[in-house]
Amino acid sequence: KAGVTQTPRYLIKTRGQQVTLSCSPISGHRSVSWYQQTPGQGLQFLFEYFSETQRNKGNFPGRFSGRQFSNSRSEMNVSTLELGDSALYLCASSLGDLTDTQYFGPGTRLTVL
Amino acid sequence: AQSVTQPDIHITVSEGASLELRCNYSYGATPYLFWYVQSPGQGLQLLLKYFSGDTLVQGIKGFEAEFKRSQSSFNLRKPSVHWSDAAEYFCAVGAQSGYSTLTFGKGTMLLVSP
Repeated sequence: KAGVTQTPRYLIKTRGQQVTLSCSPISGHRSVSWYQQTPGQGLQFLFEYFSETQRNKGNFPGRFSGRQFSNSRSEMNVSTLELGDSALYLCASSLGDLTDTQYFGPGTRLTVL
Repeated sequence: AQSVTQPDIHITVSEGASLELRCNYSYGATPYLFWYVQSPGQGLQLLLKYFSGDTLVQGIKGFEAEFKRSQSSFNLRKPSVHWSDAAEYFCAVGAQSGYSTLTFGKGTMLLVSP
């Protein structure tokens, strides 16, 4: 079956702009989690959505938001971009419990100039 | 709050030699533990996971890991490394059953020399 897909794969934005990233989970998966990966901070949890509800949230400012649609596809939005938001943004999908394997997408590489 | 420490940022191993990557976690209860691998330009792939039971866990690609509660460790091992194993390896802990949230270590970059 098809894996987790993320679009776009690469993005270049300037400070102050906003950006929307998309994640399509594996068919049947109801949980989508988002992570930010940077060389300095490593992988940090942003939020998790399950059946269109945000179930858990990491320690990120309110500029980072997300949502999940009825088909489990998820988007995350970053408003008022800062240079420090440059990162690889990964999403992962699973059936929903921690014991279920999480499958990661290839990520979206965001560069903020 | 839970945390994960991977003490080695880089490790270089000769092809055919054995490998051990270290992982220490901090969590008050029984943790859910994971090892992931990330190749350049790709997402993370699950190698193995531990929830309970046998403390020696077998994974894909010939990897295994051993959970040692007394040492708060979950080290990853492989008896013979192949050049294709060169990648970054992440240990992670999950602490809230019912959620899918993982806390990752900073990763260990494995280099394989010929």
